[in-house]
Amino acid sequence: EDKVVQSPLSLVVHEGDTVTLNCSYEVTNFRSLLWYKQEKKAPTFLFMLTSSGIEKKSGRLSSILDKKELSSILNITATQTGDSAIYLCAGVEAGGKLIFGQGTELSVKP
Amino acid sequence: KAGVTQTPRYLIKTRGQQVTLSCSPISGHRSVSWYQQTPGQGLQFLFEYFSETQRNKGNFPGRFSGRQFSNSRSEMNVSTLELGDSALYLCASSLGGTQYGQYFGPGTRLTVL
Repeated sequence: EDKVVQSPLSLVVHEGDTVTLNCSYEVTNFRSLLWYKQEKKAPTFLFMLTSSGIEKKSGRLSSILDKKELSSILNITATQTGDSAIYLCAGVEAGGKLIFGQGTELSVKP
Repeated sequence: KAGVTQTPRYLIKTRGQQVTLSCSPISGHRSVSWYQQTPGQGLQFLFEYFSETQRNKGNFPGRFSGRQFSNSRSEMNVSTLELGDSALYLCASSLGGTQYGQYFGPGTRLTVL
């Protein structure tokens, strides 16, 4: 059965810290992996990653996929209180079906 | 550009009833997907519609169905509601499909009593 596992499930850091969130996946006919940020409302799209291994960056956020390890990491440098959210990763099957992880709840303290 | 809109935002139903939720995607987006989010199960994929055709489906019973109209607007229907159907139902749209990342609507909070 397809599954996506995120770790840690929750994390508390202080402003300015760097954090690394992990996502491992077992997805049949894997196509891509997506990262989303969810605050008190709907998820917002962060990155799409494929087996090409190309790192994606956006400001203080970056992410890369390791196809050998079937995993991905999301890095956030110089964290701010506005980074507090639940971070979701989802594996996408070839047909387009998504399998979400449980999410990592990040809390950034001032 | 207007974002994804969902109606209604909140809904209370009783067991055994049926419900229809509506989603209007971002203009030009042909892919609309539906998700169920609960504290226990997290975010789960229901189905995706693309150009009025269901393209793929998650592991939900047949009580959950949907459709997409020629203007890309989509509806999701749940028949014979159960207490466990209480959840936040999110829809998301994209140009090409789920694998490219999507824009989510605010969700419909369904409570089944």
